[in-house]
Amino acid sequence: DAGVIQSPRHEVTEMGQEVTLRCKLISGHNSLFWYRQTMMRGLELLIYFNNNVPIDDSGMPEDRFSAKMPNASFSTLKIQPSEPRDSAVYFCASRPLGGATDTQYFGPGTRLTVL
Amino acid sequence: GDSVTQMEGPVTLSEEAFLTINCTYTATGYPSLFWYVQYPGEGLQLLLKATKADDKGSNKGFEATYRKETTSFHLEKGSVQVSDSAVYFCALSGNSGNTPLVFGKGTRLSVIA
Repeated sequence: DAGVIQSPRHEVTEMGQEVTLRCKLISGHNSLFWYRQTMMRGLELLIYFNNNVPIDDSGMPEDRFSAKMPNASFSTLKIQPSEPRDSAVYFCASRPLGGATDTQYFGPGTRLTVL
Repeated sequence: GDSVTQMEGPVTLSEEAFLTINCTYTATGYPSLFWYVQYPGEGLQLLLKATKADDKGSNKGFEATYRKETTSFHLEKGSVQVSDSAVYFCALSGNSGNTPLVFGKGTRLSVIA
């Protein structure tokens, strides 16, 4: 089975531009998590969804960040406008809903550089 | 709330040395416990897990035992290799399974030949 798929793997953009990161969940999983990782702040949970519904977005840094799940298998994280301090590796992860013993599976990440 | 505390790194070891990375947790009820590993340039991947007290998770020569009496889940390996150089994250899952895993801050391990 395919794992969590993220695209693009690398993104370089200029300050002020809109950036859209994409994530495809593992088939049958219905919880979706977006993380950001930097050297300074480590791994941070940005937002998570259960059954396409956003449950907790308290980790989203600013209104410039938004995330959606247009269907059960796909999610986007958008940054508009982007700033240099948004440079980081962004991971999404998926998990079956309700499985307390279940593993959270991570995608390979998108490395974002904002110039 | 639930939390995970793991030893701060970086940890530098010579090849074939014994590894211990300490992890303790605070949680209500009976959480499941996990160790994840992140190799350079990659995402986090599950290394091992334990779902109830006294369970031992093991994989690739790594082991960790779920100790409820000491609320610990220390990661050990008897003989590390250069290829084990990575960041290791301890994590727990609450009872309901409807919430994200709670991760520790990660411990960077460097193994030198």
